[in-house]
Amino acid sequence: KQEVTQIPAALSVPEGENLVLNCSFTDSAIYNLQWFRQDPGKGLTSLLLIQSSQREQTSGRLNASLDKSSGRSTLYIAASQPGDSATYLCAVYLDNYGQNFVFGPGTRLSVLP
Amino acid sequence: DVKVTQSSRYLVKRTGEKVFLECVQDMDHENMFWYRQDPGLGLRLIYFSYDVKMKEKGDIPEGYSVSREKKERFSLILESASTNQTSMYLCASSLDGTRFTDTQYFGPGTRLTVL
Repeated sequence: KQEVTQIPAALSVPEGENLVLNCSFTDSAIYNLQWFRQDPGKGLTSLLLIQSSQREQTSGRLNASLDKSSGRSTLYIAASQPGDSATYLCAVYLDNYGQNFVFGPGTRLSVLP
Repeated sequence: DVKVTQSSRYLVKRTGEKVFLECVQDMDHENMFWYRQDPGLGLRLIYFSYDVKMKEKGDIPEGYSVSREKKERFSLILESASTNQTSMYLCASSLDGTRFTDTQYFGPGTRLTVL
């Protein structure tokens, strides 16, 4: 059974720092991996989607990498800002019919001004 | 922009009541999903649908049913609400009808409390 973990569970950094969030999954047979942002009490917003054949995706200050063979993805946030404070979740979409969409528990990020 | 709306942001019901949660998307997406989100457990898939009148069980379908009579609308039904169904319910949609490889767009969520 696919399991997704995220480390750390919570992170607090001063404004301007570069930071890395980690996501690990146990089964490498995935269609893709997606990073989401969730603000308190709200739904999820997609940040980046990496297809299984890709190694990384970039959007502005965000860069996500994928290493399928080792079951890892990282989300790199450059020059963090207070507005980046949120919970960040990764999710994997599995490579079999009767799909499972498995989410990690999230990393709660606080960027202090 | 894709818009996914949910009928209520907050809902309070009593044990045994029948509860309907409605979700509507306005971008002609094929796929629609219902999740629940609980502290410490993350998001878990309840049901999904890849076409009108089609539905598939997710990881935790027990105690729930769904209806998709029109492409834009996906309803989650709690036939007899119980206290362990108190949770945040999130609806999502995505474009691709066959391979689930597209980005999912989420609604704002419905926080359901069952007393």
